[in-house]
Amino acid sequence: DAGVIQSPRHEVTEMGQEVTLRCKPISGHNSLFWYRQTMMRGLELLIYFNNNVPIDDSGMPEDRFSAKMPNASFSTLKIQPSEPRDSAVYFCASTAALGGRSYEQYFGPGTRLTVT
Amino acid sequence: EDKVVQSPLSLVVHEGDTVTLNCSYEVTNFRSLLWYKQEKKAPTFLFMLTSSGIEKKSGRLSSILDKKELFSILNITATQTGDSAVYLCATGAGSYQLTFGKGTKLSVIP
Repeated sequence: DAGVIQSPRHEVTEMGQEVTLRCKPISGHNSLFWYRQTMMRGLELLIYFNNNVPIDDSGMPEDRFSAKMPNASFSTLKIQPSEPRDSAVYFCASTAALGGRSYEQYFGPGTRLTVT
Repeated sequence: EDKVVQSPLSLVVHEGDTVTLNCSYEVTNFRSLLWYKQEKKAPTFLFMLTSSGIEKKSGRLSSILDKKELFSILNITATQTGDSAVYLCATGAGSYQLTFGKGTKLSVIP
């Protein structure tokens, strides 16, 4: 069974460019999470969706970041315009969440973003 | 604001040693505590604990939760070089999201 799939695995871009990260959650999972990981701040939750609906986007750093989940099997995280401080590893994770319980989340391989 | 604190931040041991990693938390509406192992890639799930005092085991790894004192420990016995990784602790609260600690970097040297 395929795990969480992310693309691209690596992205190098220049400051000011638009970056789009993609995620396909595990089939049957109804919650999807976008995280950012840096050495300084560790693993931070940016936004999460439940049944394709954004539930909490309070972790999104600023208006340059946006995320969508048009259907149960696809989500995007977009940064426009990108800045060097956005350089990090971005993880997508999914889980089958029911009734308010926290279930274990399964992580994708991550996208290493470098903004020069 | 929910808080998860792990200690130590890093640890170097020799193969065969036993290690204990600590995780303390301050979480509103606590539901569960999870441990993940992160090597040079994505975090992989190890354990989820919801009940106090019940140990979970998987091979040489074990973990226990103390909901009264608000902490958990992860034990690794007879460590191997393959155990070298960052171990992350996370808590689940009333919503579906997890709050992660900064992690403990474990290095096991031959």
